[in-house]
Amino acid sequence: GQQVMQIPQYQHVQEGEDFTTYCNSSTTLSNIQWYKQRPGGHPVFLIQLVKSGEVKKQKRLTFQFGEAKKNSSLHITATQTTDVGTYFCAGGDSGGSNYKLTFGKGTLLTVNP
Amino acid sequence: DAGVIQSPRHEVTEMGQEVTLRCKPISGHDYLFWYRQTMMRGLELLIYFNNNVPIDDSGMPEDRFSAKMPNASFSTLKIQPSEPRDSAVYFCASSLTGGLNTGELFFGEGSRLTVL
Repeated sequence: GQQVMQIPQYQHVQEGEDFTTYCNSSTTLSNIQWYKQRPGGHPVFLIQLVKSGEVKKQKRLTFQFGEAKKNSSLHITATQTTDVGTYFCAGGDSGGSNYKLTFGKGTLLTVNP
Repeated sequence: DAGVIQSPRHEVTEMGQEVTLRCKPISGHDYLFWYRQTMMRGLELLIYFNNNVPIDDSGMPEDRFSAKMPNASFSTLKIQPSEPRDSAVYFCASSLTGGLNTGELFFGEGSRLTVL
């Protein structure tokens, strides 16, 4: 079945440093979504990418979808303490009989003020 | 607007007991998903419904787990009998669209289950 790998598992940064998390799929994806989960909270949708090579920005966050639609990344510029949380990618796979959205295990970001 | 509503928020039970988790999706959303989150396995899709019909239940761990959606505004996930390895946070999520055009998932606050 489809596997979505996410690295790193953990990342600790000083406030102001940049942060990147990477997502890789074993199969070609139809789309990819990114979510953020604060400690003790629930996942909250950030963005969806659909097109090959797509790049989207949300303030200090930059999301990319690979040309082959098998990988994606989330980059945060100049992290702030409010960025703390676990960032999940979720890959959409329409290859089987039913569409599936498979989550990576997430990257836990902690920020030292 | 109210988001996805789940109950109970916390449940502690003993092995062998029946557990029922409840979910009210956002009104107008046609898709409802049940996920389980653990440290070891992350977020796993258990089952999802479209217009109250189960579409994919391949993630349901075993026969002890069952899910129903009797109407557009209510779903249940039942574990009978429960086991300690079922301890996890169970999230319900709903979305306006699904399939190839699955839009954002709106997650509930989750139900934290502890089976002793």
